[in-house]
Amino acid sequence: AQSVSQHNHHVILSEAASLELGCNYSYGGTVNLFWYVQYPGQHLQLLLKYFSGDPLVKGIKGFEAEFIKSKFSFNLRKPSVQWSDTAEYFCAVNAKNAGNMLTFGGGTRLMVKP
Amino acid sequence: DGGITQSPKYLFRKEGQNVTLSCEQNLNHDAMYWYRQDPGQGLRLIYYSQIVNDFQKGDIAEGYSVSREKKESFPLTVTSAQKNPTAFYLCASSIAGIQETQYFGPGTRLLVL
Repeated sequence: AQSVSQHNHHVILSEAASLELGCNYSYGGTVNLFWYVQYPGQHLQLLLKYFSGDPLVKGIKGFEAEFIKSKFSFNLRKPSVQWSDTAEYFCAVNAKNAGNMLTFGGGTRLMVKP
Repeated sequence: DGGITQSPKYLFRKEGQNVTLSCEQNLNHDAMYWYRQDPGQGLRLIYYSQIVNDFQKGDIAEGYSVSREKKESFPLTVTSAQKNPTAFYLCASSIAGIQETQYFGPGTRLLVL
């Protein structure tokens, strides 16, 4: 069974600091990759996704993620965080032979200090 | 105003009781999903349905049941067989196919009395 690991459970940054959240998955075949975000009091929403093509994917609000197949990783980055980026971030993976099932990581809670 | 609604926002369950969580969508999506969210464990898939009158078990289906009699509705029943039901439950929907974005509802928090 596929699994997804997010090693940073809690991250605290000051505004303007750079962000990188790690995501590693265990499945060796073709995958679709997602980052979702849950802002305080809001619904979980899609930040960005990768299916194929350019491994560097750009999402909303200045976020990007890079798929490195050899490292089974899909790390999320933002060059300069804002207080409004305070949220919980979830990486999710779908293996091509797993139907419609998404496997989520445990989440990373980001707090940005103003 | 299109979206996914879940009710109630909070639900209390007594020992041995079955409770049903509602999920409705007006996005005309074919696929619907139920997830359970526990601190530090992310979201785990309970059940999903790709079409009316059909559904499949996810990773943690034991102690839960679902029905999909209408396209817009996918209620989840937490049965007395679920020994650790306290969690945050999220419903999602998507156009059929995993490559389509899943849209999430606001969630229901279930607590055991």
